[in-house]
Amino acid sequence: QVQLVESGGGVVQPGRSLRLSCAASGFTFSSYGMHWVRQAPGKGLEWVAVIWYDGSNKYYADSVKGRFTISRDNSKNTLYLQMNSLRAEDTAVYYCAGEVIAVGAFDIWGQGTMVTVSS
Amino acid sequence: QSALTQPASVSGSPGQSITISCTGTSSDVGGYNYVSWYQQHPGKAPKLMIYDVSNRPSGVSNRFSGSKSGNTASLTISGLQAEDEADYYCSSYTSSSTPVFGGGTKLTVL
Repeated sequence: QVQLVESGGGVVQPGRSLRLSCAASGFTFSSYGMHWVRQAPGKGLEWVAVIWYDGSNKYYADSVKGRFTISRDNSKNTLYLQMNSLRAEDTAVYYCAGEVIAVGAFDIWGQGTMVTVSS
Repeated sequence: QSALTQPASVSGSPGQSITISCTGTSSDVGGYNYVSWYQQHPGKAPKLMIYDVSNRPSGVSNRFSGSKSGNTASLTISGLQAEDEADYYCSSYTSSSTPVFGGGTKLTVL
C-alpha cells in the first residue's frame, strides 16, 4: 500500500546536526514533489521544505533556510532532510508528505519522527 | 509567508453543521485555487480532506465540503459526528511557489 516511513529522529544538543529519512513505497516516488512539514509540541503545522520530483528545485521556509537541506534519491525511493545548527525551536515532530493528487495538496503522510533539541 | 488566519476553536452539536474560515491574501488563498484542508486527531498524522478548494479525495465523506470567496476559504462539515472532533488546518499555495498553513482550528463536538 501507499506508505511513507520516517526515521532518524532523536535527542540532539543545540548546534549539532541530524539527518532524517523518509522511505516511500506503493507509488511512483520519482514522479512527485515531496515536502517536510513539522509540528512543535502543542502547536500547529509548519511547512519546512519542498523538493521537486526530479530534485531540480528546492524551497525552504525562512526559519530553516541556510541550515536545513532537502534532498532525494529516486533510485532508493527515499527523501532526506539534513538539519544543521539545530536550535531549541526546531524541536518538533517532522512529517514527510507527498504532493500526489494535486498542486499544494499533501495526500500522503508519514507517521512522523520526533526531533528534540536540548542540552 | 505569514500563516493563514483560522479561528482557534469552533463547536457544534451532533447533526449540526459548522464552518471553519481560512483567511489569507491575494498572494495565496485569493490568487490560486490550490486551497487544501486537513484533519488531525491527537497523536496522528494529518489527513487530507479537501483539495483544490472544493474537491474531496476518494474515501472522504461528502459531509465535508469546501468553498472560497476572495481571500477567504471555508470548510463546512454537515451532520456533525463525534468522530469529527479534531484539529483542522487549511493550506494554500503561494506566489513564492511554496505552501503556507493556517494556525489550526480545534473542533469540539458538544
